[in-house]
Amino acid sequence: EAGVAQSPRYKIIEKRQSVAFWCNPISGHATLYWYQQILGQGPKLLIQFQNNGVVDDSQLPKDRFSAERLKGVDSTLKIQPAKLEDSAVYLCASSLAPPYEQYFGPGTRLTVT
Amino acid sequence: AQTVTQSQPEMSVQEAETVTLSCTYDTSENNYYLFWYKQPPSRQMILVIRQEAYKQQNATENRFSVNFQKAAKSFSLKISDSQLGDTAMYFCAFNNAGNMLTFGGGTRLMVKP
Repeated sequence: EAGVAQSPRYKIIEKRQSVAFWCNPISGHATLYWYQQILGQGPKLLIQFQNNGVVDDSQLPKDRFSAERLKGVDSTLKIQPAKLEDSAVYLCASSLAPPYEQYFGPGTRLTVT
Repeated sequence: AQTVTQSQPEMSVQEAETVTLSCTYDTSENNYYLFWYKQPPSRQMILVIRQEAYKQQNATENRFSVNFQKAAKSFSLKISDSQLGDTAMYFCAFNNAGNMLTFGGGTRLMVKP
């Protein structure tokens, strides 16, 4: 069974630029999550999708972050414009449904200079 | 809101010995799920073990076991016969049966040869 795929693995941008991350969950997993993991901290949920609907986006900075999950499969997370404090690893995870185990992708390490 | 606290930022153990990682949480819910995740230096988060709050029996997975004390809101992870491959960040996480996964700050475990 293929795992959660994410791309790119690394991205370096200047502040005020925009960036997008892509995630392909495990086949059949209805629930998809995006987390932000700042160095030395635990992951923090940004947004949770159930199929193509948003379940929880209470911690998503909506003035600069957006996410979509078209057709209930792949998802993209966008930051526009980026700030220095957005430097982090962005993790995508999927599960059959809460509260089943979440399977994580390798993450995208974003550096904002 | 739920909070998860890991009071040991770093720990070390000699190969083949046993180590226990601590985790406490705060919730007013009665039905929930607890997890331990491992994040090796390569960054991919892997599920180690899970515990349902309604189960009194402590979960075990090979060399990994938990000590779940519901009244004390404590959920520690014991690793027996530690191996070099156990070196990683370990995160305790709480799931309120459908809502977001809340992570602790992590414990960095170093297994020494």
